[in-house]
Amino acid sequence: EAQVTQNPRYLITVTGKKLTVTCSQNMNHEYMSWYRQDPGLGLRQIYYSMNVEVTDKGDVPEGYKVSRKEKRNFPLILESPSPNQTSLYFCASSLRGGAKGYTFGSGTRLTVV
Amino acid sequence: GENVEQHPSTLSVQEGDSAVIKCTYSDSASNYFPWYKQELGKGPQLIIDIRSNVGEKKDQRIAVTLNKTAKHFSLHITETQPEDSAVYFCAASINTGTASKLTFGTGTRLQVTL
Repeated sequence: EAQVTQNPRYLITVTGKKLTVTCSQNMNHEYMSWYRQDPGLGLRQIYYSMNVEVTDKGDVPEGYKVSRKEKRNFPLILESPSPNQTSLYFCASSLRGGAKGYTFGSGTRLTVV
Repeated sequence: GENVEQHPSTLSVQEGDSAVIKCTYSDSASNYFPWYKQELGKGPQLIIDIRSNVGEKKDQRIAVTLNKTAKHFSLHITETQPEDSAVYFCAASINTGTASKLTFGTGTRLQVTL
């Protein structure tokens, strides 16, 4: 089944403790992206990647890192999480960066205390 | 950059009634407008989309209209059913040449009551 898989689904952590949220897609998509969803703010793009070893900042990149060493994986790294990064995170992919055909993962709910 | 506004933030309708969600966008270069449905515990899923060279598109009970001059587009759901209850997001996309940047609205929580 074609899908975007995120792990974990739920995560509670403490301020300052580094964490990684994994994202993997099995559709051979070139483009991958991370979004955060907050009440009243919709979905905001954190980082995106056009292809392996090519990443760029989205609208809200502060406090996040990403890497794209393989085409299928696009992990989101929080080096020193803070409470304002408590949010619902979504990974998405599309074939070549086209807006049509975006496929989203099921989400990761992160709570930083 | 692009800014997408979405109204209302919550919408409650009775089963069988119609629901309309409206969005406006700011950048006249936007040329693709998808709508996503997000059910509880799931990621957004594309339900319908429209390109800037088309004024209206229908798919069974859902339709989208686009007014390029006014820079607004709307989602229409007719004969609503309980399974239509979800959060709906509009989005606008500008093709930058190498990638398309999607800018989302803030979402509308639709509740269909029996």
